[in-house]
Amino acid sequence: GENVEQHPSTLSVQEGDSAVIKCTYSDSASNYFPWYKQELGKGPQLIIDIRSNVGEKKDQRIAVTLNKTAKHFSLHITETQPEDSAVYFCAASVPGGSYIPTFGRGTSLIVHP
Amino acid sequence: DVKVTQSSRYLVKRTGEKVFLECVQDMDHENMFWYRQDPGLGLRLIYFSYDVKMKEKGDIPEGYSVSREKKERFSLILESASTNQTSMYLCASSPRQGDETQYFGPGTRLLVL
Repeated sequence: GENVEQHPSTLSVQEGDSAVIKCTYSDSASNYFPWYKQELGKGPQLIIDIRSNVGEKKDQRIAVTLNKTAKHFSLHITETQPEDSAVYFCAASVPGGSYIPTFGRGTSLIVHP
Repeated sequence: DVKVTQSSRYLVKRTGEKVFLECVQDMDHENMFWYRQDPGLGLRLIYFSYDVKMKEKGDIPEGYSVSREKKERFSLILESASTNQTSMYLCASSPRQGDETQYFGPGTRLLVL
């Protein structure tokens, strides 16, 4: 089955810096790659996603890039703010049947004011 | 607004007790999921359901069972709670086709003494 590795497990940055979280996946058939943000005391919430026919997607300060050949995708957050502090999960899924993603282990992002 | 609710935010139970965790979604989604979240291990799938009265084992079903009698409700049952089931439990739902986003509840933090 699919295996998703996520790095780093913890990331500490100063407010205004950029943050990058990287994930690799094993199944070349995977074609959907969402990123979820989990704030303290809440469930994960989708913040951005990318499909395998697209190399990059941007939404204001966040962007995701996908390299299908290398089987890795990354989350980029620019001009970080304290409210970006959260746990971020990447995921990958293979098409067909009901959607069941394989999640990475999560990255705890801390943005220091 | 999309809503997944879980019956309890915090729960304390004794070893050997039968525990019910309830999840309700108001989006008419076909798919529902139960995950367990532990530090450093990410989100691990316990059970999922494609439709009413249907259930499928996930990656870590041992010690758990589920029930889906109505489309909007998915229950996780710990037949005889053990201390190693102390964890955060997250419920999620998604539509059968189209939007592959998973919508999560706020989670139930279970402590088994």
